[in-house]
Amino acid sequence: AQSVTQLGSHVSVSEGALVLLRCNYSSSVPPYLFWYVQYPNQGLQLLLKYTSAATLVKGINGFEAEFKKSETSFHLTKPSAHMSDAAEYFCAVITSGYSTLTFGKGTMLLVSP
Amino acid sequence: DTGVSQDPRHKITKRGQNVTFRCDPISEHNRLYWYRQTLGQGPEFLTYFQNEAQLEKSRLLSDRFSAERPKGSFSTLEIQRTEQGDSAMYLCASSLGTGRHNTEAFFGQGTRLTVV
Repeated sequence: AQSVTQLGSHVSVSEGALVLLRCNYSSSVPPYLFWYVQYPNQGLQLLLKYTSAATLVKGINGFEAEFKKSETSFHLTKPSAHMSDAAEYFCAVITSGYSTLTFGKGTMLLVSP
Repeated sequence: DTGVSQDPRHKITKRGQNVTFRCDPISEHNRLYWYRQTLGQGPEFLTYFQNEAQLEKSRLLSDRFSAERPKGSFSTLEIQRTEQGDSAMYLCASSLGTGRHNTEAFFGQGTRLTVV
């Protein structure tokens, strides 16, 4: 079975600092991996996805993630945090031929001025 | 197209009552998914439709839950005899795909259910 683990339920950064949100996956086959963002009382918005093409994936709002097979990781980064980045971030992996997603527990990103 | 639409956005119900939620996917999307999200957790898969056929159901979907997608367009999720443990955000998503090929899943804003 495929799964993802997000390290850290909360991450706090100052505005302008580097953002690093960690995600490790477990999969017996090459995975399709995703990062989603969720603002309070909203649905999920796709930030970026890895589908076995380039290992460095660029997404929206300046975020990017690097697929590292040797480390089974797909960490999300952004060079400079903005107050508007404060939200909950979910890593997810496709778990079936029907493209259903299995999500991690999420990491809440807090950005202070 | 304004994306995936869910109705209502919020629902408060008394324990034991039945509730029904509606999801309108993006019009050309043939795949539709329901997820449930409880506080502090990531969304958990409930069920999946391709067109009007319900192809996959999670073990989370007890007998009190039923979902339909008549004519392969909108979908409804009904919970009978609600329990306090059913309190959660119910998310709908849709995508376009055939076989393993699939566009990204677009999510609606969810229906927040509170059972009192």
